Amino acid sequence: AQKITQTQPGMFVQEKEAVTLDCTYDTSDPSYGLFWYKQPSSGEMIFLIYQGSYDQQNATEGRYSLNFQKARKSANLVISASQLGDSAMYFCAMREGQGGSYIPTFGRGTSLIVHP
Amino acid sequence: ETGVTQTPRHLVMGMTNKKSLKCEQHLGHNAMYWYKQSAKKPLELMFVYSLEERVENNSVPSRFSPECPNSSHLFLHLHTLQPEDSALYLCASSQALQGMGNTIYFGEGSWLTVV
Repeated sequence: AQKITQTQPGMFVQEKEAVTLDCTYDTSDPSYGLFWYKQPSSGEMIFLIYQGSYDQQNATEGRYSLNFQKARKSANLVISASQLGDSAMYFCAMREGQGGSYIPTFGRGTSLIVHP
Repeated sequence: ETGVTQTPRHLVMGMTNKKSLKCEQHLGHNAMYWYKQSAKKPLELMFVYSLEERVENNSVPSRFSPECPNSSHLFLHLHTLQPEDSALYLCASSQALQGMGNTIYFGEGSWLTVV
């Protein structure tokens, strides 16, 4: 069963606007971590942001924030003030902490294109 | 500058060649990973090493042979590959193998083309 679902294969946003990339996950483990990565066309997977299942507040890192809705099992990435350099593939991932597989699970990714 | 470096960045090899991909991490991590990323396919985990011991071999064909001589270095030896093995190969590392907060850090990847 797929544990990470990214339903948007492609997204477009105007420069300087905000964009939300969706991610839903499935786990019965009470301890888990959620991660977002950015992959430009060069290939490198760049770690952006982390949210732990016990964290009370949504994670933020500069222009990136994670809209964590535990009851809905969603962990959407919000990019504020989009820049042309934000054009890339974005991957959501999960790592279970107790009893679950230690192997992290990745979604299929969302392609983001930022228009000038 | 990335804490995980991969060489070569690009490799073209014939089906009868033998080549190797190299990965080095400068983060003091204990776990290292090889992933394969093909066009329009999800990221595929190939191998996992923890403290130089292989803990996962995800049904990878024997034409791919990993080697982890120490906790900082990871190799992927390639021989008798097929054109469908052409892909981006990503090396990664994390502080430990388990733990929900263990972030995986990736290298820049090695683009492999098999002709």
